[in-house]
Amino acid sequence: KAGVTQTPRYLIKTRGQQVTLSCSPISGHRSVSWYQQTPGQGLQFLFEYFSETQRNKGNFPGRFSGRQFSNSRSEMNVSTLELGDSALYLCATAPENPWANVLTFGAGSRLTVL
Amino acid sequence: AQKITQTQPGMFVQEKEAVTLDCTYDTSDPSYGLFWYKQPSSGEMIFLIYQGSYDQQNATEGRYSLNFQKARKSANLVISASQLGDSAMYFCAMRGSTLGRLYFGRGTQLTVWP
Repeated sequence: KAGVTQTPRYLIKTRGQQVTLSCSPISGHRSVSWYQQTPGQGLQFLFEYFSETQRNKGNFPGRFSGRQFSNSRSEMNVSTLELGDSALYLCATAPENPWANVLTFGAGSRLTVL
Repeated sequence: AQKITQTQPGMFVQEKEAVTLDCTYDTSDPSYGLFWYKQPSSGEMIFLIYQGSYDQQNATEGRYSLNFQKARKSANLVISASQLGDSAMYFCAMRGSTLGRLYFGRGTQLTVWP
């Protein structure tokens, strides 16, 4: 059974650019959530999608957006990149409810903003 | 609001010894789940163990056990017979009433020495 696949694994951008990250969940998983990990702030929740609808959202500016497709694959986009957006972006997926389901993480996309 | 506290930034243990990683939590949700994840230097978050707030017995998964003390709001991870491959960052996380969202602690860097 394939795991959670995140692409690209590494990328370098400059300030002001935008970036799109992709997450392909485990087959049958319909919930996809995104986290940002930085040394200063730790792991912070960005948003969660379920059946193509954003179900929950963290406290990030509108420059951070996401979407989910009918096959459950998800993308997140960061526009007008800032130096502080440099981070490891982790995607996590889970089956449908119940709420006790374990989130399975991908290997992450490491973004460097110059 | 949900909060996870890990007070040990770093821990050292000799191979084959047991080690306890501390985690305390705070929540007003009557039902919640507690998780431990391992993050090696590669970045991927690896699920280790889960404890539900209504579970009567402490969870165990191979060499991992979770010492759950509900009244003290603590969920310590115990790793028995440490191995060199256990060297990694360990995160305690909690899910409350918000599906698909985990709240993470700042992590504990575990180093296992021969």
